[in-house]
Amino acid sequence: AQSVTQPDIHITVSEGASLELRCNYSYGATPYLFWYVQSPGQGLQLLLKYFSGDTLVQGIKGFEAEFKRSQSSFNLRKPSVHWSDAAEYFCAVGNDYKLSFGAGTTVTVRA
Amino acid sequence: DGGITQSPKYLFRKEGQNVTLSCEQNLNHDAMYWYRQDPGQGLRLIYYSQIVNDFQKGDIAEGYSVSREKKESFPLTVTSAQKNPTAFYLCASSSGAGGSYNEQFFGPGTRLTVL
Repeated sequence: AQSVTQPDIHITVSEGASLELRCNYSYGATPYLFWYVQSPGQGLQLLLKYFSGDTLVQGIKGFEAEFKRSQSSFNLRKPSVHWSDAAEYFCAVGNDYKLSFGAGTTVTVRA
Repeated sequence: DGGITQSPKYLFRKEGQNVTLSCEQNLNHDAMYWYRQDPGQGLRLIYYSQIVNDFQKGDIAEGYSVSREKKESFPLTVTSAQKNPTAFYLCASSSGAGGSYNEQFFGPGTRLTVL
Protein backbone atom coordinates (compact mmCIF):
# COMPACT_ATOMS: atom_id res chain seq x y z
CA ALA A 1 0.00 0.00 0.00
CA GLN A 2 1.15 3.50 -0.67
CA SER A 3 2.01 5.92 2.11
CA VAL A 4 3.20 9.48 2.44
CA THR A 5 5.47 10.99 5.08
CA GLN A 6 5.85 14.68 5.75
CA PRO A 7 8.69 14.84 8.28
CA ASP A 8 8.10 18.44 9.37
CA ILE A 9 5.00 19.09 11.44
CA HIS A 10 5.54 22.84 11.67
CA ILE A 11 7.84 25.28 9.87
CA THR A 12 8.29 28.96 10.63
CA VAL A 13 9.75 31.15 7.92
CA SER A 14 10.32 34.88 7.56
CA GLU A 15 8.45 36.77 4.88
CA GLY A 16 10.60 36.98 1.78
CA ALA A 17 12.66 33.94 2.71
CA SER A 18 12.63 30.69 0.78
CA LEU A 19 10.54 27.71 1.81
CA GLU A 20 10.99 23.99 1.28
CA LEU A 21 8.53 21.37 2.49
CA ARG A 22 9.57 17.76 2.44
CA CYS A 23 7.53 14.82 1.24
CA ASN A 24 8.56 11.17 0.99
CA TYR A 25 6.36 8.49 -0.45
CA SER A 26 6.25 4.75 -0.52
CA TYR A 27 4.77 3.25 -3.66
CA GLY A 28 5.79 0.42 -5.95
CA ALA A 29 5.08 1.91 -9.36
CA THR A 30 5.44 5.41 -10.76
CA PRO A 31 3.32 7.48 -8.44
CA TYR A 32 0.86 10.22 -9.09
CA LEU A 33 1.93 12.96 -6.67
CA PHE A 34 0.12 16.06 -5.50
CA TRP A 35 0.56 19.04 -3.22
CA TYR A 36 -2.51 20.68 -1.71
CA VAL A 37 -2.83 23.76 0.50
CA GLN A 38 -5.47 24.37 3.16
CA SER A 39 -6.27 27.65 4.89
CA PRO A 40 -7.75 27.36 8.40
CA GLY A 41 -11.28 25.97 8.40
CA GLN A 42 -11.34 25.66 4.61
CA GLY A 43 -11.19 22.96 1.99
CA LEU A 44 -8.05 22.00 0.08
CA GLN A 45 -6.73 23.62 -3.07
CA LEU A 46 -4.41 21.91 -5.52
CA LEU A 47 -1.02 23.59 -5.88
CA LEU A 48 0.54 21.20 -8.40
CA LYS A 49 0.71 17.60 -9.50
CA TYR A 50 3.14 15.18 -11.14
CA PHE A 51 2.57 11.95 -12.98
CA SER A 52 5.15 11.85 -15.77
CA GLY A 53 7.59 13.92 -17.80
CA ASP A 54 9.69 16.78 -16.50
CA THR A 55 10.55 16.11 -12.87
CA LEU A 56 10.38 19.81 -11.97
CA VAL A 57 6.74 20.85 -11.80
CA GLN A 58 5.45 24.41 -11.67
CA GLY A 59 2.28 25.19 -9.79
CA ILE A 60 0.09 28.06 -8.76
CA LYS A 61 1.07 30.87 -6.37
CA GLY A 62 4.75 30.61 -7.35
CA PHE A 63 5.26 27.09 -5.97
CA GLU A 64 7.27 24.34 -7.62
CA ALA A 65 8.09 20.75 -6.71
CA GLU A 66 10.75 18.31 -7.80
CA PHE A 67 10.20 14.59 -8.18
CA LYS A 68 13.26 12.51 -7.28
CA ARG A 69 12.66 8.84 -7.86
CA SER A 70 15.98 7.78 -6.29
CA GLN A 71 15.02 9.47 -3.03
CA SER A 72 11.29 8.75 -3.21
CA SER A 73 10.72 12.42 -2.63
CA PHE A 74 8.51 15.20 -3.95
CA ASN A 75 9.57 18.34 -2.12
CA LEU A 76 7.70 21.61 -2.48
CA ARG A 77 9.56 24.92 -2.79
CA LYS A 78 8.90 28.61 -3.04
CA PRO A 79 11.72 31.12 -3.53
CA SER A 80 10.13 34.00 -1.61
CA VAL A 81 7.32 33.50 0.88
CA HIS A 82 4.44 35.94 1.31
CA TRP A 83 2.39 36.32 4.49
CA SER A 84 -0.57 34.82 2.62
CA ASP A 85 1.33 31.53 2.29
CA ALA A 86 0.68 30.77 5.96
CA ALA A 87 -1.42 27.61 5.79
CA GLU A 88 -1.25 23.85 6.08
CA TYR A 89 0.28 21.92 3.22
CA PHE A 90 -0.47 18.32 2.32
CA CYS A 91 1.42 15.96 0.07
CA ALA A 92 -0.59 13.10 -1.45
CA VAL A 93 -0.01 10.06 -3.63
CA GLY A 94 -2.71 8.74 -5.95
CA ASN A 95 -3.54 5.16 -6.79
CA ASP A 96 -6.67 3.56 -8.24
CA TYR A 97 -8.92 6.64 -7.93
CA LYS A 98 -7.84 7.23 -4.32
CA LEU A 99 -5.46 9.64 -2.66
CA SER A 100 -3.35 8.91 0.42
CA PHE A 101 -2.35 12.04 2.30
CA GLY A 102 0.54 12.89 4.54
CA ALA A 103 -0.14 14.32 7.99
CA GLY A 104 0.54 17.84 6.76
CA THR A 105 3.01 20.64 7.47
CA THR A 106 1.83 23.87 9.04
CA VAL A 107 3.66 26.94 7.77
CA THR A 108 3.83 30.08 9.86
CA VAL A 109 5.13 33.27 8.24
CA ARG A 110 6.68 35.90 10.46
CA ALA A 111 7.02 39.53 9.45
CA ASP B 1 -20.00 29.09 -10.65
CA GLY B 2 -19.10 25.41 -10.60
CA GLY B 3 -18.04 23.87 -7.35
CA ILE B 4 -18.77 21.72 -4.34
CA THR B 5 -21.05 22.77 -1.53
CA GLN B 6 -21.21 21.21 1.89
CA SER B 7 -23.81 21.95 4.47
CA PRO B 8 -24.02 22.81 7.22
CA LYS B 9 -20.67 24.44 8.00
CA TYR B 10 -21.00 23.63 11.69
CA LEU B 11 -23.03 20.79 13.15
CA PHE B 12 -23.64 19.78 16.71
CA ARG B 13 -24.99 16.40 17.69
CA LYS B 14 -25.84 14.64 20.88
CA GLU B 15 -24.31 11.27 21.56
CA GLY B 16 -26.41 8.43 20.20
CA GLN B 17 -27.89 10.43 17.33
CA ASN B 18 -27.32 9.84 13.64
CA VAL B 19 -26.55 12.87 11.53
CA THR B 20 -26.29 13.40 7.77
CA LEU B 21 -23.78 15.70 6.10
CA SER B 22 -24.67 17.07 2.70
CA CYS B 23 -22.35 17.25 -0.31
CA GLU B 24 -23.44 18.56 -3.69
CA GLN B 25 -21.36 19.23 -6.81
CA ASN B 26 -22.25 20.88 -10.12
CA LEU B 27 -18.97 20.01 -11.86
CA ASN B 28 -20.48 17.00 -13.64
CA HIS B 29 -17.88 14.80 -11.97
CA ASP B 30 -18.32 11.05 -11.84
CA ALA B 31 -16.28 10.37 -8.70
CA MET B 32 -16.99 11.68 -5.22
CA TYR B 33 -15.20 11.18 -1.91
CA TRP B 34 -15.59 11.72 1.82
CA TYR B 35 -12.61 12.38 4.06
CA ARG B 36 -12.24 12.88 7.76
CA GLN B 37 -9.60 15.29 9.05
CA ASP B 38 -8.24 15.24 12.59
CA PRO B 39 -5.37 17.42 13.87
CA GLY B 40 -1.99 15.92 13.05
CA GLN B 41 -3.43 13.05 10.99
CA GLY B 42 -4.00 14.50 7.58
CA LEU B 43 -7.03 13.33 5.64
CA ARG B 44 -8.36 9.80 5.87
CA LEU B 45 -10.72 8.34 3.29
CA ILE B 46 -14.12 7.24 4.59
CA TYR B 47 -16.03 6.28 1.42
CA TYR B 48 -15.78 6.95 -2.27
CA SER B 49 -18.00 6.53 -5.28
CA GLN B 50 -16.85 6.28 -8.88
CA ILE B 51 -20.32 6.18 -10.40
CA VAL B 52 -23.98 6.60 -9.46
CA ASN B 53 -25.45 3.76 -7.38
CA ASP B 54 -22.02 2.39 -6.52
CA PHE B 55 -19.62 3.18 -3.68
CA GLN B 56 -16.69 1.58 -1.86
CA LYS B 57 -15.37 1.69 1.68
CA GLY B 58 -12.26 3.66 2.34
CA ASP B 59 -9.81 3.23 5.19
CA ILE B 60 -12.11 4.23 8.05
CA ALA B 61 -15.67 3.34 6.98
CA GLU B 62 -16.84 1.86 10.30
CA GLY B 63 -19.67 3.88 11.80
CA TYR B 64 -20.42 5.74 8.56
CA SER B 65 -22.80 5.15 5.64
CA VAL B 66 -23.29 6.82 2.25
CA SER B 67 -25.60 6.76 -0.74
CA ARG B 68 -25.12 7.85 -4.34
CA GLU B 69 -28.55 8.07 -5.93
CA LYS B 70 -27.70 11.10 -8.04
CA LYS B 71 -24.51 12.07 -9.80
CA GLU B 72 -24.34 15.44 -8.08
CA SER B 73 -25.03 14.29 -4.53
CA PHE B 74 -23.11 12.11 -2.06
CA PRO B 75 -24.49 12.45 1.49
CA LEU B 76 -22.62 10.99 4.45
CA THR B 77 -24.39 9.69 7.54
CA VAL B 78 -22.47 9.53 10.77
CA THR B 79 -24.15 6.87 12.83
CA SER B 80 -24.22 6.35 16.57
CA ALA B 81 -21.82 3.44 16.01
CA GLN B 82 -19.00 5.88 15.20
CA LYS B 83 -17.16 6.07 18.51
CA ASN B 84 -15.36 9.35 18.01
CA PRO B 85 -17.24 11.38 15.40
CA THR B 86 -16.03 14.88 16.36
CA ALA B 87 -13.93 15.96 13.37
CA PHE B 88 -13.76 18.08 10.24
CA TYR B 89 -15.36 16.35 7.26
CA LEU B 90 -14.38 17.13 3.69
CA CYS B 91 -16.15 16.12 0.52
CA ALA B 92 -14.34 16.02 -2.83
CA SER B 93 -15.04 15.15 -6.42
CA SER B 94 -13.05 14.40 -9.54
CA SER B 95 -13.81 13.75 -13.17
CA GLY B 96 -12.94 10.13 -12.63
CA ALA B 97 -11.86 9.49 -16.19
CA GLY B 98 -8.26 8.34 -16.29
CA GLY B 99 -8.04 7.40 -12.66
CA SER B 100 -6.25 8.98 -9.78
CA TYR B 101 -4.16 11.58 -11.58
CA ASN B 102 -7.19 13.76 -11.94
CA GLU B 103 -7.42 16.62 -9.51
CA GLN B 104 -9.82 16.22 -6.64
CA PHE B 105 -11.82 19.37 -5.94
CA PHE B 106 -12.72 19.91 -2.31
CA GLY B 107 -15.70 21.46 -0.61
CA PRO B 108 -15.36 23.91 2.30
CA GLY B 109 -15.96 21.21 4.91
CA THR B 110 -18.35 20.55 7.79
CA ARG B 111 -17.16 20.64 11.37
CA LEU B 112 -19.08 18.11 13.43
CA THR B 113 -19.03 18.31 17.20
CA VAL B 114 -20.61 15.68 19.41
CA LEU B 115 -21.82 17.05 22.71
